[in-house]
Amino acid sequence: GQSLEQPSEVTAVEGAIVQINCTYQTSGFYGLSWYQQHDGGAPTFLSYNALDGLEETGRFSSFLSRSDSYGYLLLQELQMKDSASYFCAVRDRSNDYKLSFGAGTTVTVRA
Amino acid sequence: NAGVTQTPKFRILKIGQSMTLQCTQDMNHNYMYWYRQDPGMGLKLIYYSVGAGITDKGEVPNGYNVSRSTTEDFPLRLELAAPSQTSVYFCASSTSDEQFFGPGTRLTVL
Repeated sequence: GQSLEQPSEVTAVEGAIVQINCTYQTSGFYGLSWYQQHDGGAPTFLSYNALDGLEETGRFSSFLSRSDSYGYLLLQELQMKDSASYFCAVRDRSNDYKLSFGAGTTVTVRA
Repeated sequence: NAGVTQTPKFRILKIGQSMTLQCTQDMNHNYMYWYRQDPGMGLKLIYYSVGAGITDKGEVPNGYNVSRSTTEDFPLRLELAAPSQTSVYFCASSTSDEQFFGPGTRLTVL
């Protein structure tokens, strides 16, 4: 099966930088995704990493190290609207390439 | 494009009742999924489909059924509702690495 670990909560002030770590265990790792979910809303796609390294999209970046079974999502120049839950999800060959989600990290941005 | 739409938005069921959650996508995606999300938790896959006429079980399929007669529609059926099925249900579709989610259905079973 698959297991993912990410911190349950992070709090930071506006303008700060937050890093959300995700460690995973899978038997056929294919890629790591990140999704954002505002309270009561639908998850929305942020990024996908299949290869080692950093992917940057505006204020958000995602990193993957396949050898360490580890990735992170970096949120820069935090804004109040970034208060949300962030989920890492792993795609696994042994699971028919379906996504398995972590339990999520709640990010609270304070003024 | 409307993307992924789900109906109803909210529903309260009594134990033992049945209902169908509707999901439609207009992006011509082959892959469709049903997830449930319990409070403070991640998404658990109930069923998925890789194309019309093809469905398969996910992680938590017990108590649910699905069908996929067209590319656009992927309804989820609850036959005998139980309190353990109280949850938020999300439908999603995808072509490759990105999944597009519907707005969700909040279901309460009393």
